[in-house]
Amino acid sequence: AQTVTQSQPEMSVQEAETVTLSCTYDTSESDYYLFWYKQPPSRQMILVIRQEAYKQQNATENRFSVNFQKAAKSFSLKISDSQLGDAAMYFCAYRSTYGGATNKLIFGTGTLLAVQP
Amino acid sequence: DAGVTQSPTHLIKTRGQHVTLRCSPISGHKSVSWYQQVLGQGPQFIFQYYEKEERGRGNFPDRFSARQFPNYSSELNVNALLLGDSALYLCASSLGRNNEQFFGPGTRLTVL
Repeated sequence: AQTVTQSQPEMSVQEAETVTLSCTYDTSESDYYLFWYKQPPSRQMILVIRQEAYKQQNATENRFSVNFQKAAKSFSLKISDSQLGDAAMYFCAYRSTYGGATNKLIFGTGTLLAVQP
Repeated sequence: DAGVTQSPTHLIKTRGQHVTLRCSPISGHKSVSWYQQVLGQGPQFIFQYYEKEERGRGNFPDRFSARQFPNYSSELNVNALLLGDSALYLCASSLGRNNEQFFGPGTRLTVL
């Protein structure tokens, strides 16, 4: 079974600075998707960025980028130029792509990011 | 366009009672998934429905059941509520069975 681990329960960053959130996962599959979701106090889960395992190039989305290390099963999220609105719980998630698979997401336990003005 | 909507927003029940949570997907989306998020943890997959059929089920007891209607909206039912069922219940919709999921704001269930 696949598992996702986020070892940083809480992180803090100064506004305009850069922060990196860590995520490791375990799987025996060779093709899969990885995601970072943001959950602000409003509770609505918002997709930040996604990475397809067969793509070697790291995904980027404006101020958000990932460092995907497939061999190490590591998937970290870098937030550049942090803004107050980035404060939220961040979840790393895994989804299988194998035939017949559902779109079931497997989530880590989350990292609570605080942004200091 | 309206996003995924869930009702009610909050709900308080007592042990042993039954609860029904509702979800309306984004227009055109045919798949709905349900997740349970206990405080301090990541969401756990409960069910996926696609084209009104169950397509996936997580490790939850038979007290949990769901269905999807012809208009693709969905209900999650939980019988014989336990204190441990207190959680945020999230619904997510997607175009198809394996597409990106969009989440609703959740229903906060408190069991006393």
